[in-house]
Amino acid sequence: EDQVTQSPEALRLQEGESSSLNCSYTVSGLRGLFWYRQDPGKGPEFLFTLYSAGEEKEKERLKATLTKKESFLHITAPKPEDSATYLCAVQGRINDMRFGAGTRLTVKP
Amino acid sequence: DGGITQSPKYLFRKEGQNVTLSCEQNLNHDAMYWYRQDPGQGLRLIYYSQIVNDFQKGDIAEGYSVSREKKESFPLTVTSAQKNPTAFYLCASSIGGGLGPKNIQYFGAGTRLSVL
Repeated sequence: EDQVTQSPEALRLQEGESSSLNCSYTVSGLRGLFWYRQDPGKGPEFLFTLYSAGEEKEKERLKATLTKKESFLHITAPKPEDSATYLCAVQGRINDMRFGAGTRLTVKP
Repeated sequence: DGGITQSPKYLFRKEGQNVTLSCEQNLNHDAMYWYRQDPGQGLRLIYYSQIVNDFQKGDIAEGYSVSREKKESFPLTVTSAQKNPTAFYLCASSIGGGLGPKNIQYFGAGTRLSVL
């Protein structure tokens, strides 16, 4: 069965303090790995999708990378508005998206 | 603006009552999904539909029912058989099954269901 584990569960950073979030996965035949941002009480907002090992995507202060076993979401010089829960999901079979429990990021000014 | 609209934002259910959560999209997407989100857990798939008049059970379909009579609409009914319905319910849609960007799921703002 496809599985996704995200770590750490929670991360507190000072503004400007760069760090990385981890998403480890097992899947039979990766169709895609997805990163979402979720603010409290709202639906997830799509950030990135990665399809093959070695692929990288960037958006403002965020950079997502992918290996055969895990993905990292690197946050460079974060700001308080980056505080949110970041969700990782993998898709093996069509219409079968498996989500991790998320990493709750807090950035203090 | 194109998007996914879920209503109501908050919903309360009495014991023994069925309640229906609405999900409407104007993105012209073929596929639609319902997820349940509980604290500390990943999203879990309840039902999905790839095309009008067709839907499939997800991992936790027991106690729920859906219909897909129109492309734009995918309502979820939480029946009295669902003994622990308190959760945050999320509806999503994607262009359709297949490879690449067609798989990206876009989400509504969610409905929070509580039991009275």
